[in-house]
Amino acid sequence: GAVVSQHPSWVICKSGTSVKIECRSLDFQATTMFWYRQFPKQSLMLMATSNEGSKATYEQGVEKDKFLINHASLTLSTLTVTSAHPEDSSFYICSARPRINRGGYEQYFGPGTRLTVT
Amino acid sequence: TQLLEQSPQFLSIQEGENLTVYCNSSSVFSSLQWYRQEPGEGPVLLVTVVTGGEVKKLKRLTFQFGDARKDSSLHITAAQPGDTGLYLCAGENAGNMLTFGGGTRLMVKP
Repeated sequence: GAVVSQHPSWVICKSGTSVKIECRSLDFQATTMFWYRQFPKQSLMLMATSNEGSKATYEQGVEKDKFLINHASLTLSTLTVTSAHPEDSSFYICSARPRINRGGYEQYFGPGTRLTVT
Repeated sequence: TQLLEQSPQFLSIQEGENLTVYCNSSSVFSSLQWYRQEPGEGPVLLVTVVTGGEVKKLKRLTFQFGDARKDSSLHITAAQPGDTGLYLCAGENAGNMLTFGGGTRLMVKP
């Protein structure tokens, strides 16, 4: 149980275009989903916290107009990178916290999406 | 801002050796989690420690949470090549958000 999927697993896009990444909790409902960014050989950096039915909370330094987050249901959150530039190339990872906590504090992570902007 | 310092950053050892990874902070965390990440994949949860002084064992891996809930360690006994990967600690604050350490990249040579 507690499986999180991401789609696509990798994407290559041209500079100036927009890319949408989906994060789904497959076997549980998640009121909160998190979006992280990871550069090569570095750790995960939290970009934003996404709560179902409300606006996302962005970390300092993350442009909310560039990284649009929508959490329309208890099993789906999307991250749209608008007007992508080469410096947006990175590994984007989402995680989900179960709506009904199983007694733990865990977040379950998706497999990540590698974005390359040319 | 809560910071987690993880050490060492890199570790290359021979199969059969033991190792310890440390995760330290000046902040108190409500829980601390350890993850392992393979290249091109998301982190996979290994363990969550909640209580100060708690020790958890997962086969050859031993996890400890400091009494003050500010630090943690991961000890691997008789490391195997399959243990190779990026190990990440993450502390959870009262707001239920995770702060990740910088990661420890482990390579176990056969």
